[in-house]
Amino acid sequence: GAGVSQSPRYKVAKRGQDVALRCDPISGHVSLFWYQQALGQGPEFLTYFQNEAQLDKSGLPSDRFFAERPEGSVSTLKIQRTQQEDSAVYLCASSFGQGQNIQYFGAGTRLSVL
Amino acid sequence: QKEVEQDPGPLSVPEGAIVSLNCTYSNSAFQYFMWYRQYSRKGPELLMYTYSSGNKEDGRFTAQVDKSSKYISLFIRDSQPSDSATYLCAMSAMDTGRRALTFGSGTRLQVQP
Repeated sequence: GAGVSQSPRYKVAKRGQDVALRCDPISGHVSLFWYQQALGQGPEFLTYFQNEAQLDKSGLPSDRFFAERPEGSVSTLKIQRTQQEDSAVYLCASSFGQGQNIQYFGAGTRLSVL
Repeated sequence: QKEVEQDPGPLSVPEGAIVSLNCTYSNSAFQYFMWYRQYSRKGPELLMYTYSSGNKEDGRFTAQVDKSSKYISLFIRDSQPSDSATYLCAMSAMDTGRRALTFGSGTRLQVQP
């Protein structure tokens, strides 16, 4: 497809379960970003990859959050031992890189932790 | 205090009105300014992208950046019901090597037919 693709669109987890969220960026985009959006708020930065290298993970809220992009394309955000406060929409964005920072977003994964 | 402040609204206007949306920010390192539109249960969609101060126009949309006042605006002319959405401002300071976008909390706009 032409845009950023995220799956699943919705995920319900019981507290304590591990979840994995997938992002497929726009083909050829070097940079990939994960953001967390709470209800009624703007997205907040979690982490950033350039190709397979994770260059910034300053926004990850705890060591329960882990992201990877092993081949420089698809990325997975993993949350271990989910808590109720992890309930949010997780957005993935990609950009061409190479000096410009125009980020294109996917539709997001809505995570509900019960 | 947040780095980027944005009035959450809701802002309700009649169809055809001129809409003004604004953000203020505190970080003088911000150089890249964006406006995104987000419909309910969708991802943010890029509307405007500007670098440093000045104006940029694209169809019914005009973005203004005043770095001296740390204030950015988005104007929508001839507003339509289809413009009803949440508008997010976003900024980044790439010169520091940091590529993360910092967003405002969003302004919800309702255009009444």
